[in-house]
Amino acid sequence: GDSVTQMEGPVTLSEEAFLTINCTYTATGYPSLFWYVQYPGEGLQLLLKATKADDKGSNKGFEATYRKETTSFHLEKGSVQVSDSAVYFCALDNYGQNFVFGPGTRLSVLP
Amino acid sequence: SAVISQKPSRDICQRGTSLTIQCQVDSQVTMMFWYRQQPGQSLTLIATANQGSEATYESGFVIDKFPISRPNLTFSTLTVSNMSPEDSSIYLCSVVKGGETQYFGPGTRLLVL
Repeated sequence: GDSVTQMEGPVTLSEEAFLTINCTYTATGYPSLFWYVQYPGEGLQLLLKATKADDKGSNKGFEATYRKETTSFHLEKGSVQVSDSAVYFCALDNYGQNFVFGPGTRLSVLP
Repeated sequence: SAVISQKPSRDICQRGTSLTIQCQVDSQVTMMFWYRQQPGQSLTLIATANQGSEATYESGFVIDKFPISRPNLTFSTLTVSNMSPEDSSIYLCSVVKGGETQYFGPGTRLLVL
């Protein structure tokens, strides 16, 4: 079946550091890919998405590029802030048949 | 996008009791989803709720334990029945809009003593 793998957390960075959270997937066909963020005590919020190969999703300084050749959708940000501390979930949707989440990566940004 | 509210936002319950969680969406949607997020874990789909028909449950989840209602296109409830401490989780409802994007409610944090 379809699956999503993320780098293990927690990830701890200093403010203004560069962030990469790796995400790879296994799926048949051409799924849509998503990053969701869950701030402490809150539900999930859509951060960005990409629906086809080579698409780049971006939002709030975060970016991720749909790489079909490596089945990856790595999340990056050039300069993290304390307010970015949250859990980040990579997910895929395969033609609306099933929505699969990765295990989540906890990010802590220290001032 | 979709704006989703859930009630209650959190609760502390005694073992053996039941809790009903409400989910309200600001627009009509065909399918609503209920997820469980156990402490420190990812999301697990409990069931898909369609208006006018019985909910479809995922493996490991049964209607007697998690009965779901879907009386109209903007509202759904999930009941956690005969609770035990293992049911302590965050319960989230979600909807699909814009083709394939899922939007989530803020979640209901349940602690069972």
